[in-house]
Amino acid sequence: KAGVTQTPRYLIKTRGQQVTLSCSPISGHRSVSWYQQTPGQGLQFLFEYFSETQRNKGNFPGRFSGRQFSNSRSEMNVSTLELGDSALYLCASSYGTQLVLTFGAGSRLTVL
Amino acid sequence: GQQVMQIPQYQHVQEGEDFTTYCNSSTTLSNIQWYKQRPGGHPVFLIQLVKSGEVKKQKRLTFQFGEAKKNSSLHITATQTTDVGTYFCAEYNTGKLIFGQGTTLQVKP
Repeated sequence: KAGVTQTPRYLIKTRGQQVTLSCSPISGHRSVSWYQQTPGQGLQFLFEYFSETQRNKGNFPGRFSGRQFSNSRSEMNVSTLELGDSALYLCASSYGTQLVLTFGAGSRLTVL
Repeated sequence: GQQVMQIPQYQHVQEGEDFTTYCNSSTTLSNIQWYKQRPGGHPVFLIQLVKSGEVKKQKRLTFQFGEAKKNSSLHITATQTTDVGTYFCAEYNTGKLIFGQGTTLQVKP
């Protein structure tokens, strides 16, 4: 059974640009969550999608957005990048109401 | 807001020594999960505790949930170099995981 797949694994952007990250959940998992990990703030929740609907949202500015497709794949977008957006962005999937998350390897974003 | 405090932040041990990390909350936790993140890796689920006073073991790892459901601990007996990494506790609440800051374990061979 394939795990959670995130692309790209690494990317470098400059301030003001935008970025789109992709996540393919484990087959059959309909919930996809996104987390930001930085040395200073640790792991912080961005948002969660279930059946193409955003069910929960963390305390991030509107520059951070996401969506989920009918095949449960998800994307997150960050517009007008700032230096502080440099982080490891982790996607996690879960099955239905199961509370356990399986994380992908992450997308490491560097903003210059 | 919800906060899960985790201590210590770092721990260096000699291989074979024991290690414990603690997770505390000012409010009652509905559940507690533990994850391990190896250097350069991603969080991997270890265990979930939901009952007051619950104790679970996985080989050399012992997980406890406090009687008041406000704290939890992870104890590793006789650490090995493969135990190196950051251990996070997290509460699953209203669709999201609230993570502690993590305890980074270094093991000297």
